[in-house]
Amino acid sequence: NAGVTQTPKFRVLKTGQSMTLLCAQDMNHEYMYWYRQDPGMGLRLIHYSVGEGTTAKGEVPDGYNVSRLKKQNFLLGLESAAPSQTSVYFCASRPGDRGTLYFSSSYEQYFGPGTRLTVT
Amino acid sequence: GQNIDQPTEMTATEGAIVQINCTYQTSGFNGLFWYQQHAGEAPTFLSYNVLDGLEEKGRFSSFLSRSKGYSYLLLKELQMKDSASYLCAVPRGTGGFKTIFGAGTRLFVKA
Repeated sequence: NAGVTQTPKFRVLKTGQSMTLLCAQDMNHEYMYWYRQDPGMGLRLIHYSVGEGTTAKGEVPDGYNVSRLKKQNFLLGLESAAPSQTSVYFCASRPGDRGTLYFSSSYEQYFGPGTRLTVT
Repeated sequence: GQNIDQPTEMTATEGAIVQINCTYQTSGFNGLFWYQQHAGEAPTFLSYNVLDGLEEKGRFSSFLSRSKGYSYLLLKELQMKDSASYLCAVPRGTGGFKTIFGAGTRLFVKA
């Protein structure tokens, strides 16, 4: 099991360029998430997906788009990169609900290694 | 984020005990997570509390008081490798789909 993988690991973009970050998981998890992490601000949720073909906005969705065409993949797109999008991006996944709050495995998230993006 | 508060930094000595506190909004409670994150790495799961009381797991324990909107992570017999950020997180929304993270507490363990 590779768990959650992310590509690329590092990227430098110029303002206005576009790119796609790929997240893949091999644990058959229903839910997938994209976060950004900035110094002093913790992890902020960008978009998430509760199943193949569905996506929803998180706390900071502006400037990003996502797609979940296959259950195992969750793509994050930047159409026109801005310096404010310089950050470390983490993908995460977790199993679907099991009908109870009392099992941590229902809610524990598994994180990918991160993508460090710099926009100049 | 969304009223999850933790101290920014803490320093403790190797072999000692340290308590990291977290307060959160009590509405729509779906449990509380603690994650550990070493510098330059991804967060990893430490604990999950949904009922009041103390959950012990080796050197790490986590406490929850739902009525007070309060949790703490207790680290015993500190080791240098415990130097990391500790993130408090709460699932939010219907079904707890969204997990909201605190800004994290950076713990420095000194010899």
